[in-house]
Amino acid sequence: NAGVMQNPRHLVRRRGQEARLRCSPMKGHSHVYWYRQLPEEGLKFMVYLQKENIIDESGMPKERFSAEFPKEGPSILRIQQVVRGDSAAYFCASSLGQRGTEETQYFGPGTRLLVL
Amino acid sequence: KNEVEQSPQNLTAQEGEFITINCSYSVGISALHWLQQHPGGGIVSLFMLSSGKKKHGRLIATINIQEKHSSLHITASHPRDSAVYICAVFPRKGAQKLVFGQGTRLTINP
Repeated sequence: NAGVMQNPRHLVRRRGQEARLRCSPMKGHSHVYWYRQLPEEGLKFMVYLQKENIIDESGMPKERFSAEFPKEGPSILRIQQVVRGDSAAYFCASSLGQRGTEETQYFGPGTRLLVL
Repeated sequence: KNEVEQSPQNLTAQEGEFITINCSYSVGISALHWLQQHPGGGIVSLFMLSSGKKKHGRLIATINIQEKHSSLHITASHPRDSAVYICAVFPRKGAQKLVFGQGTRLTINP
């Protein structure tokens, strides 16, 4: 049973380019979470999505960042016009999706974004 | 002050020692995760608990909701236990987003 998959594992972008990070949740999971880990810092929540819905985006920067989880295909975290401060590890996690209960979240291997 | 505080930040021990990592939180929570982040960066969920104690192999996690404190113990530690251990909380019932501690970097020397 494949775990959470993220690609690419490493991504290098120049300032001003776009970065697209993909996350495929575990089979049967309908909830996806994106977290960011800045260098030498702890993990921080960014966004929580269900299929075709953004449930909580309180951790997303107001500009340049967007996320989606379409009916078919992986969840995408998109960063437009990247800046050096966006360099970080971006982790995706997924859970089953039982409303109203706290669930174990399973993490992907992360995408390490480096902005030159 | 962070909502989730871990101690110690760094811990070095010899193989075989009993390890304790502590997590205190200032918010009311409904459940707590202990996570392990390997040197390669991958994150593994070790436990999710909301009361009492859980055990898996050499790992034991306890939580005291009234005291807002959790501990992760490793018995008979081994160099392969070397990793960063992260405490993360669900800040309220039904909340799905996690709030993380800064992590404890554990190094076990042979």
